[in-house]
Amino acid sequence: QKEVEQNSGPLSVPEGAIASLNCTYSDRGSQSFFWYRQYSGKSPELIMFIYSNGDKEDGRFTAQLNKASQYVSLLIRDSQPSDSATYLCAVNMGTGGFKTIFGAGTRLFVKA
Amino acid sequence: DTAVSQTPKYLVTQMGNDKSIKCEQNLGHDTMYWYKQDSKKFLKIMFSYNNKELIINETVPNRFSPKSPDKAHLNLHINSLELGDSAVYFCASSQKVLGQKNEKLFFGSGTQLSVL
Repeated sequence: QKEVEQNSGPLSVPEGAIASLNCTYSDRGSQSFFWYRQYSGKSPELIMFIYSNGDKEDGRFTAQLNKASQYVSLLIRDSQPSDSATYLCAVNMGTGGFKTIFGAGTRLFVKA
Repeated sequence: DTAVSQTPKYLVTQMGNDKSIKCEQNLGHDTMYWYKQDSKKFLKIMFSYNNKELIINETVPNRFSPKSPDKAHLNLHINSLELGDSAVYFCASSQKVLGQKNEKLFFGSGTQLSVL
């Protein structure tokens, strides 16, 4: 079983719609959860982090965490073509919190 | 001023050669990492150093040898390069803040390694 699993997509949504990205993880002891955005040919950049159950909102982005279900999601409201990228779910696990494991990423296309 | 910088950006070499990638961060972070991203875009941790001490060493062939001369620098030397080593190698840094659980990663721009 992969440690962090995501649907590779591609996920295609029209401009202005809500994009919903999902992720599951295997280690119940995981403490911190992240979403990184990676444009083609660029490096990953952090867009959201969450470590408590529930929702966390930042602008058009909402991260949701359910530790009982080992499930993390990212909602992007009012999707824009500039949101088209690969979204990487990442989970921080291991002693001291130094080990961050990434999912394979979900490619998102926002159609104008 | 670039926060995490790595050189070179592109590296094209023949099988069997030895090459190095350098990374420097000016964020004052204590922890630095090497990640490998393969052709399927899967980002996998290789090594991590905290204050110059190796703390994570994943199942990486011993042809790969990281070195951290100080906490702002982390280099990666690769011996006897193989075709399968072709990938993008990302350096990253992070700072664990007292009382917080999260470890936010700041990535360099990546080194595209092509082994012919």
